[in-house]
Amino acid sequence: QKEVEQNSGPLSVPEGAIASLNCTYSDRGSQSFFWYRQYSGKSPELIMFIYSNGDKEDGRFTAQLNKASQYVSLLIRDSQPSDSATYLCAVNNNNDMRFGAGTRLTVKP
Amino acid sequence: EPEVTQTPSHQVTQMGQEVILRCVPISNHLYFYWYRQILGQKVEFLVSFYNNEISEKSEIFDDQFSVERPDGSNFTLKIRSTKLEDSAMYFCASSTGTGGQPQHFGDGTRLSIL
Repeated sequence: QKEVEQNSGPLSVPEGAIASLNCTYSDRGSQSFFWYRQYSGKSPELIMFIYSNGDKEDGRFTAQLNKASQYVSLLIRDSQPSDSATYLCAVNNNNDMRFGAGTRLTVKP
Repeated sequence: EPEVTQTPSHQVTQMGQEVILRCVPISNHLYFYWYRQILGQKVEFLVSFYNNEISEKSEIFDDQFSVERPDGSNFTLKIRSTKLEDSAMYFCASSTGTGGQPQHFGDGTRLSIL
């Protein structure tokens, strides 16, 4: 069974703070890792992707991957109210991509 | 920016009927996918498709489901003998390549089975 686990939240942070979102996965053969943002009633929107162990930064977002621990995380710096959404962790193995249930983030002004 | 286009946005069908959900992937993408999301639940992988054949499928994608690329632009998901529990958002996605290239999602079709 290919499981992707996320803390469902809600995670609440004040505007300007760092939001930290975590994800673990069970399939050791997983090759690529994604973070999507989903607003209520909308489709998933790609935020970040990472393939190798370590950190990858893109603007206010940093993805971190530790394959040995089967752990992926997303940091959002200088959080804005517009960042309030559900963040989905997705893990891919040979075109079979599995999603976590998502973490609901609320950024309070 | 190129987009994945899905039609219709909302489909209402009587239980037991067949439905076809349509998708136009991004034009230079080669890999196509269908996902579903039951209200309040997680996004679930159904199937991936490449070079006119199924690449991977999940345990959800049973004989009730089929996919097809009938022409050079459309990618369809057919659901036969629909059941109440098939009610969900169905998302199409596409990517440029395999090995986990980022997938870009369409806006989805909301399927309601009555």
